[in-house]
Amino acid sequence: SSEVTQPPSVSVSSGQTATISCSGDNLEYKYISWYQQKAGQSPVLVIYHDYKRPSGIPERFSGSNSGNTATLIITGTQAMDEADYYCQAWDDSTYVFGTGTKVTVL
Amino acid sequence: QITLKESGPTVVRPTETLTLTCTFSGFSLSASGVGVGWIRQPPGKALEWLALTYWDDDRRYRPSLRSRLTITKDTSKNQVVLILTNMDPLDTATYYCAHIVTTVKAFDVWGQGTTVTVSS
Repeated sequence: SSEVTQPPSVSVSSGQTATISCSGDNLEYKYISWYQQKAGQSPVLVIYHDYKRPSGIPERFSGSNSGNTATLIITGTQAMDEADYYCQAWDDSTYVFGTGTKVTVL
Repeated sequence: QITLKESGPTVVRPTETLTLTCTFSGFSLSASGVGVGWIRQPPGKALEWLALTYWDDDRRYRPSLRSRLTITKDTSKNQVVLILTNMDPLDTATYYCAHIVTTVKAFDVWGQGTTVTVSS
């Protein structure tokens, strides 16, 4: 299975937009999901199938996917959004997680 | 409401075999499209997908660990068991089990995780 890379960290001012990238070969065909993991907690699914939000996830979380890059966008970032974020690809019936991005809200 | 809970030893010695159990409720692993996966996270590091079993007994494994991993399910007990042989200190991690549906291709509900330390 191929590797999936993310920037180690992203900083965003409260109320602004955070953009987190996820890069890998042909990601547009790999049903990208995104997880939020707060310190000491289990991951929570925030986006699946590139852009779909599970029930209960705020509308400020959105996703896109094209070519070799998928993107998680947090619009109007709040302090509670400070966490680690992981993308995950479905790759030929196996699953690959990205390297993770720590989002800091200033 | 779907819940999952991991259980197993907190410490294992190098070369030993790790057996972890995921006990779940709120869904049936005999229902079409349903699966349970295992994911681990070494301290301070990223998530790593390990293995997955589906309702139809299809099983998938992380390629780099395929020779050391076995996943099984007991539908009557609502349990999924992960076996990892020849444990090494690099296998020290928090191990999670999680629910998945084939149409979603994402882990939508996770257990609380169980921490395993490999040390002599």
